Amino acid sequence: GAGVSQSPSNKVTEKGKDVELRCDPISGHTALYWYRQSLGQGLEFLIYFQGNSAPDKSGLPSDRFSAERTGGSVSTLTIQRTQQEDSAVYLCASSLEAGEQYFGPGTRLTVT
Amino acid sequence: AQRVTQPEKLLSVFKGAPVELKCNYSYSGSPELFWYVQYSRQRLQLLLRHISRESIKGFTADLNKGETSFHLKKPFAQEEDSAMYYCALVRAGNNRKLIWGLGTSLAVNP
Repeated sequence: GAGVSQSPSNKVTEKGKDVELRCDPISGHTALYWYRQSLGQGLEFLIYFQGNSAPDKSGLPSDRFSAERTGGSVSTLTIQRTQQEDSAVYLCASSLEAGEQYFGPGTRLTVT
Repeated sequence: AQRVTQPEKLLSVFKGAPVELKCNYSYSGSPELFWYVQYSRQRLQLLLRHISRESIKGFTADLNKGETSFHLKKPFAQEEDSAMYYCALVRAGNNRKLIWGLGTSLAVNP
């Protein structure tokens, strides 16, 4: 079956604009994660959704960042009033409740 | 606090040489540890996990609770092993949030 997909693959935006990044997890996977991969910074956890439980938002760097997961499937990560330091690759992963995480190809965000 | 440390940012070896990518962790409970790999222009993917005790692409990793380490080893490196390697820890319990090391970039030279 299809793996995790993300769109867009690349996004260039001006500082101050809002952006939305989309993640389509593997069908049937109950858990969904967002990470950020910055140059030289490794992987940074952002937010985690598990079924109908309240999401773990402990990794969101500021209140400009938010995420939703509709119907237990597709997720959207929204960054408001983007700043240059938001430039990074944003990765989405999904998993069954106790299984390995499957990653999408990422969205490369560039804030100019 | 849980932490994963990969002390080497870059590791360069020659083809056929042994390679060891170091990973140390701090965690008070019983950790579940993974190695993920990201080849150039490919997505991040699981390489191996300690509970399965398997060898993937010639790589092995043994959990050493005494030394809190989970080093990744391969006796004879190949050029196609060149990639970014991440060590990660999952806490026991319901939140399967991975805690990541910063990664080690492995370059295998001909």
